[in-house]
Amino acid sequence: AQKITQTQPGMFVQEKEAVTLDCTYDTSDPSYGLFWYKQPSSGEMIFLIYQGSYDQQNATEGRYSLNFQKARKSANLVISASQLGDSAMYFCAMRGFDGYSTLTFGKGTMLLVSP
Amino acid sequence: NAGVMQNPRHLVRRRGQEARLRCSPMKGHSHVYWYRQLPEEGLKFMVYLQKENIIDESGMPKERFSAEFPKEGPSILRIQQVVRGDSAAYFCASSPPTGPSSGYTFGSGTRLTVV
Repeated sequence: AQKITQTQPGMFVQEKEAVTLDCTYDTSDPSYGLFWYKQPSSGEMIFLIYQGSYDQQNATEGRYSLNFQKARKSANLVISASQLGDSAMYFCAMRGFDGYSTLTFGKGTMLLVSP
Repeated sequence: NAGVMQNPRHLVRRRGQEARLRCSPMKGHSHVYWYRQLPEEGLKFMVYLQKENIIDESGMPKERFSAEFPKEGPSILRIQQVVRGDSAAYFCASSPPTGPSSGYTFGSGTRLTVV
C-alpha cells in the first residue's frame, strides 16, 4: 500500500518569493515515481513534475523543482519566483513500478500568492 | 492532439436516477483511470481499465457503480440510483502503455450534483 501525506492545508507566499510545499510518502515498492499536480480554481489537473526513485538528480521543470530526499521519504515541491497565477491546490502523488500500480494522491495544499 | 475529453462537464441528477460519465482518452493512450474528488479532498482512485478489461476496481463502491472501456468508444462510469453522497467531481485520466514513469493526463472532470 502507498500513502502520501501533505501536512500543510494552506500556504501563503508573496509574489516573487520562493515557497516549499511538503510531501512525505510511504511505500513498500522498491522503485516508484513521485508526481506533483496543480489544480487551479477552474478545476483541471495539471501535471507539473516527475521524480523517479532511482534518479540521481532532483527533477526541475522551469520554476518548479523537486527536493527529493529518499532516506527521509520526502518529495517537496519548490516553486521559485512565485506568480499570482500559481495560486491553486497542489497535490503530491506516487505510483509503484509494477505493471498495474495506480497513482495515489495526498490531500493537497492550497497555495495563495499575494501581490 | 486533443487531450483527455470528459463529458458532460456538469451533470445534475435527482436522487434515484442514473448518471453516465464519459471519457475519451488521449490518442495513443490505452490505459484509463477514474478518480473521485469530494469537496476539500484529494483524488481517490476508483478503477483502472484497459480496452475491454478491468484491471483494478479496488476503489469502486461495491454497489451501484460500474465502469467499462469497450473496444470502440469512450470509457463510461455509470452510477445507478444516485444518492446525495455521490455528489463530487469525477476525473478521468489516461496514460500510454510505456511504463509507470508516465504521468497521467487528466480530463477536466465531470461535476455531478445530486439533488
